[in-house]
Amino acid sequence: GAGVSQSPSNKVTEKGKDVELRCDPISGHTALYWYRQSLGQGLEFLIYFQGNSAPDKSGLPSDRFSAERTGGSVSTLTIQRTQQEDSAVYLCASSLIQGGGTDTQYFGPGTRLTVL
Amino acid sequence: AQSVTQLGSHVSVSEGALVLLRCNYSSSVPPYLFWYVQYPNQGLQLLLKYTSAATLVKGINGFEAEFKKSETSFHLTKPSAHMSDAAEYFCAVSGAGANNLFFGTGTRLTVIP
Repeated sequence: GAGVSQSPSNKVTEKGKDVELRCDPISGHTALYWYRQSLGQGLEFLIYFQGNSAPDKSGLPSDRFSAERTGGSVSTLTIQRTQQEDSAVYLCASSLIQGGGTDTQYFGPGTRLTVL
Repeated sequence: AQSVTQLGSHVSVSEGALVLLRCNYSSSVPPYLFWYVQYPNQGLQLLLKYTSAATLVKGINGFEAEFKKSETSFHLTKPSAHMSDAAEYFCAVSGAGANNLFFGTGTRLTVIP
C-alpha cells in the first residue's frame, strides 16, 4: 500500500518568507509526527497529533512554527518568516495508534528546505 | 528524560566483515529501543525494535541487536556486511506513554569492496 508522502520534496526560499510543508500519512493511521533533521544532527521532534486530541507541540523551536492536521489525515507544517537556521530536512511519520511506545512509526521521504 | 548516544558518526567496514554500530541509552522509564536505517534520499525504515520481550532482537536484512540493561546498550550487529548496507543508521528510544522517539545523531556506514 501507499506509504507516507510529503510535498514538496525540495523547497528553496528566501529568508523572511513563509513556507508550507505537506504530509499525507498512511491511510488509517491516527498518529502523525513531524521531525526535523539538521545537518550533522539527529532527528529532532517537533509536533505530534493523535486523533482529535490537542497536539503535543512541545518540540516546536519557536512561535514561527505551527502545524495543522485537517480531518485527522493530511497535515501542514508552516514556518513563518524563515531563517537560515531553519534549513533542514523535515520528516513526517505516522503510526497506527500511538508511536513512542511500541507502535512503529513509518516515515516519509522528507522535504529538504533551504533558506537563502 | 530519555536520550541515546551513538558512538562513531562514521564507521567503515570491508565487505563480508562484521558490522557493529554502537548505541547507549538513558531512560528514566523502561525503554523501548529502535534502530532505523536511512538510504540516500529516502525516508527512515525500521530495522528492528525492542519492546521488553526477548533481549536479542532480529530485524530485517540480517541485522540484530541485543538489549543489555546492565550496560544500557542496544548495539546493532550484522555478521557479514554487504555493499547494500551502506546507509545512515539511527538509534532511538522511547518509553511507555511517550509521544515521540528520541533519536541519536546517526552513524554513517561505509562498506568497502
